[in-house]
Amino acid sequence: KAGVTQTPRYLIKTRGQQVTLSCSPISGHRSVSWYQQTPGQGLQFLFEYFSETQRNKGNFPGRFSGRQFSNSRSEMNVSTLELGDSALYLCASRDGTNYGYTFGSGTRLTVV
Amino acid sequence: TQLLEQSPQFLSIQEGENLTVYCNSSSVFSSLQWYRQEPGEGPVLLVTVVTGGEVKKLKRLTFQFGDARKDSSLHITAAQTGDTGLYLCAGAQGRTDKLIFGTGTRLQVFP
Repeated sequence: KAGVTQTPRYLIKTRGQQVTLSCSPISGHRSVSWYQQTPGQGLQFLFEYFSETQRNKGNFPGRFSGRQFSNSRSEMNVSTLELGDSALYLCASRDGTNYGYTFGSGTRLTVV
Repeated sequence: TQLLEQSPQFLSIQEGENLTVYCNSSSVFSSLQWYRQEPGEGPVLLVTVVTGGEVKKLKRLTFQFGDARKDSSLHITAAQTGDTGLYLCAGAQGRTDKLIFGTGTRLQVFP
């Protein structure tokens, strides 16, 4: 069974640009969550999608958005990038029966 | 606001030693999970505990969920170099899928 796939693995962007990150969950997993990981703040919840609906949202500005498609694949978008957006962005999926999440390897975003 | 505090923050030990990592909160969680993360990778789930007072053993790792479901501990017996990594606890509240992660414990096991 393939794991959670995130693309791209690495990304370098300039301040003010926008970026789109992609996540393909494990087949059959309908819940997809996104987290931001930084050395200073640790892992912070961004949002969670289930069956194309956003069910939860973390305390991030509106520049951070996401969506989920009918095949459960998800994307997150960050507009007007700031230096502080540099982080490892992690996607995780789970099925409806188990508590635990399976995480992808993440996308390392560097804003210069 | 960080709701889950882990201690210690860093731990450096010799192979064969025992260690305990703590995860504490003033909030109640419906379930608590432990993950290990290695550099450049995402966290990998080790265990989920859901019942207050629950103890789970996975080989040399023992996990306990506090009676009041506010805290948890991870005990490793006879640590090995392969145990090196960042250990993270994460709590879920209510029926939400939102996980609140702890501050992390970075473990280094030397041969």
